[in-house]
Amino acid sequence: DAKTTQPTSMDCAEGRAANLPCNHSTISGNEYVYWYRQIHSQGPQYIIHGLKNNETNEMASLIITEDRKSSTLILPHATLRDTAVYYCIVRNRGSTLGRLYFGRGTQLTVWP
Amino acid sequence: DADVTQTPRNRITKTGKRIMLECSQTKGHDRMYWYRQDPGLGLRLIYYSFDVKDINKGEISDGYSVSRQAQAKFSLSLESAIPNQTALYFCATSALDPGGAVADTQYFGPGTRLTVL
Repeated sequence: DAKTTQPTSMDCAEGRAANLPCNHSTISGNEYVYWYRQIHSQGPQYIIHGLKNNETNEMASLIITEDRKSSTLILPHATLRDTAVYYCIVRNRGSTLGRLYFGRGTQLTVWP
Repeated sequence: DADVTQTPRNRITKTGKRIMLECSQTKGHDRMYWYRQDPGLGLRLIYYSFDVKDINKGEISDGYSVSRQAQAKFSLSLESAIPNQTALYFCATSALDPGGAVADTQYFGPGTRLTVL
């Protein structure tokens, strides 16, 4: 699975959009980009994933560059409850290994 | 996620004791995982199971064992606990997406905080 690089921390005002970047320059054609988040000491929570097209669900949007070497997770209207560590993970499609490699992630702090 | 439960939620034990952490899920998923998380670090995979008869070691399996008693239950045991096994332990489950070949999404339990004195 390809490695990812994320900023250590970011902050965002409540009600504004939070844009969390992720670099995955060694991604291969079969690898999906996944985003999870972990609110302090709770179990990680799945947010969204995508292959090459932009994706949107009720939680967030995922924008993947055309060359797929980077992506951005967008929380359109951040709230205080969105304060968490956000993990960008790249996984091989149909991988039989089953594991998720969690790096250090980005600590997002939403302030009032 | 309430569909994945872990017991106990907190446990303090002494060096050398045998400890079992239990995980149950009502999501009907075939795949189950055990991770540990240490302060300031990401999650590391201990063991994973793709079905009742298929159990595999993860990256840090030494000192741990597992049992998949049923599709819905996956237990992690520390045969003789040591202080550096003090950590937050998470169970997770997953199933293949409807297409079958697509990488799966994992759903995590609330975690067990284990302290070994």
